[in-house]
Amino acid sequence: QSALTQPASVSGSPGQSITISCTGTTSDIGSYNLVSWYQQHPGKVPKLIIYDGTKRPPGISNRFSGSKSGNTASLTISGLQAEDEAHYSCCSYAGGGTYVFGTGTKVTVL
Amino acid sequence: QVQLVESGGGVVQPGRSLRLSCAASGFTFSNYGIHWVRQAPGKGLEWVAFIWFDGSNKYYRDSVKGRFTISRDNSKNTLYLQMNSLRVEDTAIYYCAKDPAGGYTGGWLDPWGQGTLVTVSS
Repeated sequence: QSALTQPASVSGSPGQSITISCTGTTSDIGSYNLVSWYQQHPGKVPKLIIYDGTKRPPGISNRFSGSKSGNTASLTISGLQAEDEAHYSCCSYAGGGTYVFGTGTKVTVL
Repeated sequence: QVQLVESGGGVVQPGRSLRLSCAASGFTFSNYGIHWVRQAPGKGLEWVAFIWFDGSNKYYRDSVKGRFTISRDNSKNTLYLQMNSLRVEDTAIYYCAKDPAGGYTGGWLDPWGQGTLVTVSS
């Protein structure tokens, strides 16, 4: 049950696009199309922004998009805005009823 | 609207026990699986446990197996986490979160409660 690997930090200027990677193994991301992403502002509760790897819940901006290739999932934020500055965590089903989260990435808007 | 409210956190000495509760409202609690997730101060999210809609199946991360027990009372719309033999490294905010499915997991967690802080310290 090792955590998925994410970069500790990613930054970009307003309007730019950034991509956060989430690397797992053949036991989690590589085996299931059950990757989700969560946004968490400081002191706030995690919020679902992507599920099933690529789908957005109602109310989530289409500036957020998800993808997967092999054992790595990615979250792309396009048209970066100040309000996107937050921590982002990936999560994957890991079989046997268990889940594993990523190490988390702090996004800074320059 | 769907709401989850955790309670029961506090300061406890290593080796002691604590029981967390998660009160659900705004949805048919008995139809859905529920997760516990924790977050140590300044650290990332860590999945802890999951229980099926009817309590028939329960799953845990390795580091809490044999020490923590997830359970639910569908008549009270409440989820529990009994934590025994607590360790300093169990210190975290504990969140409950709804699964979109009842049994075999739906694959994501939404929504989350506001969390309750557990501090294990002598």
